[in-house]
Amino acid sequence: EAQVTQNPRYLITVTGKKLTVTCSQNMNHEYMSWYRQDPGLGLRQIYYSMNVEVTDKGDVPEGYKVSRKEKRNFPLILESPSPNQTSLYFCASSLSPLVYEQYFGPGTRLTVT
Amino acid sequence: GEDVEQSLFLSVREGDSSVINCTYTDSSSTYLYWYKQEPGAGLQLLTYIFSNMDMKQDQRLTVLLNKKDKHLSLRIADTQTGDSAIYFCAVDSGTYKYIFGTGTRLKVLA
Repeated sequence: EAQVTQNPRYLITVTGKKLTVTCSQNMNHEYMSWYRQDPGLGLRQIYYSMNVEVTDKGDVPEGYKVSRKEKRNFPLILESPSPNQTSLYFCASSLSPLVYEQYFGPGTRLTVT
Repeated sequence: GEDVEQSLFLSVREGDSSVINCTYTDSSSTYLYWYKQEPGAGLQLLTYIFSNMDMKQDQRLTVLLNKKDKHLSLRIADTQTGDSAIYFCAVDSGTYKYIFGTGTRLKVLA
């Protein structure tokens, strides 16, 4: 089944404890992206990747890192999480940017205390 | 920077038409999208429109684009309870970035 998977689905952590949210797609998609969803703010793009080893900042990259060493994986890294990074995170992928549909993962709800 | 605005809530009766509106600031967008988010799930693409089109119809969905006013709308005909969800307008910024709106929560009353 074609899908985007994220792990973990739920995470509660403490300020400053490094964490990684994994994202994997099995559709051989070139484009991958991370978003955060906050009430009243909608979805905001954190980082995106056009292909392996090619990443770029979205609108809210501060406090996040990403890497794209393989086409299928695009992990989101929070080196020193803070409470303002408490949010619902979505990974998405598409065959190519623009006209092609973005397929979204099920989301990761992160709480930083 | 680029901005996409939507009203937060819309309530309609089952069988009526729903119209969800969106305004955007970036005129360089090539495609404009409507995504649907059901409770506890990720987003799914509903439809999209190319920036040189004025209208696109897809079964119960009609998308209208007014480029002069930078206004996009999604009309859902014969709205059903299964259409209750959050609807996001999104545009591409021309540089492979996407800008999403705040989302409109549609509630369909039986």
